[in-house]
Amino acid sequence: AQSVTQLGSHVSVSEGALVLLRCNYSSSVPPYLFWYVQYPNQGLQLLLKYTSAATLVKGINGFEAEFKKSETSFHLTKPSAHMSDAAEYFCAVRLGNKLIFGTGTLLAVQP
Amino acid sequence: SAVISQKPSRDICQRGTSLTIQCQVDSQVTMMFWYRQQPGQSLTLIATANQGSEATYESGFVIDKFPISRPNLTFSTLTVSNMSPEDSSIYLCSVRAGAPGVTQYFGPGTRLTVL
Repeated sequence: AQSVTQLGSHVSVSEGALVLLRCNYSSSVPPYLFWYVQYPNQGLQLLLKYTSAATLVKGINGFEAEFKKSETSFHLTKPSAHMSDAAEYFCAVRLGNKLIFGTGTLLAVQP
Repeated sequence: SAVISQKPSRDICQRGTSLTIQCQVDSQVTMMFWYRQQPGQSLTLIATANQGSEATYESGFVIDKFPISRPNLTFSTLTVSNMSPEDSSIYLCSVRAGAPGVTQYFGPGTRLTVL
């Protein structure tokens, strides 16, 4: 079975600081992995995805994530946080035809 | 990519009534999905809806409570029946699109409050 765990339900960073949101997965086969962002009162927007190609995946808004098989991780990073990055971030893994979501991490950006 | 619209965007309903949520996609898609996001929580898959067949429901969700229609490849509806305050959630429509059909896109959601 596949599942995904996000460590840290709340993360707070200062504007301009590094953003690191953690995601670990459990899978018996190479997974498809995704990061989505949900801004307040909006739906989900795809940030990036890993589909067994390059292990370092670049997404929108300056975000990127690295697939590390040895660590079963797919952490999301951004070198410099912006106030507009404040949102909830969801890691997800595809299980057959289903997309299984982590519990989400709420990112706060302090001025 | 796929552009998804949902109607209504939000509603406030009385206990015991039903609400039908519409989902429209700008391209033909085989698989459509309905998710629920309860307040402060993550997304939970309700059911998968394929055109021309019965929807497949996840554990904890039943057709009598959440009937789904899928009349064509661009449209689906989800009805929340006999509502109670516990049904207050965001309901999201989702489709898989693009080659090779890996990426899943989401609609803006329908924010339902049941009094």
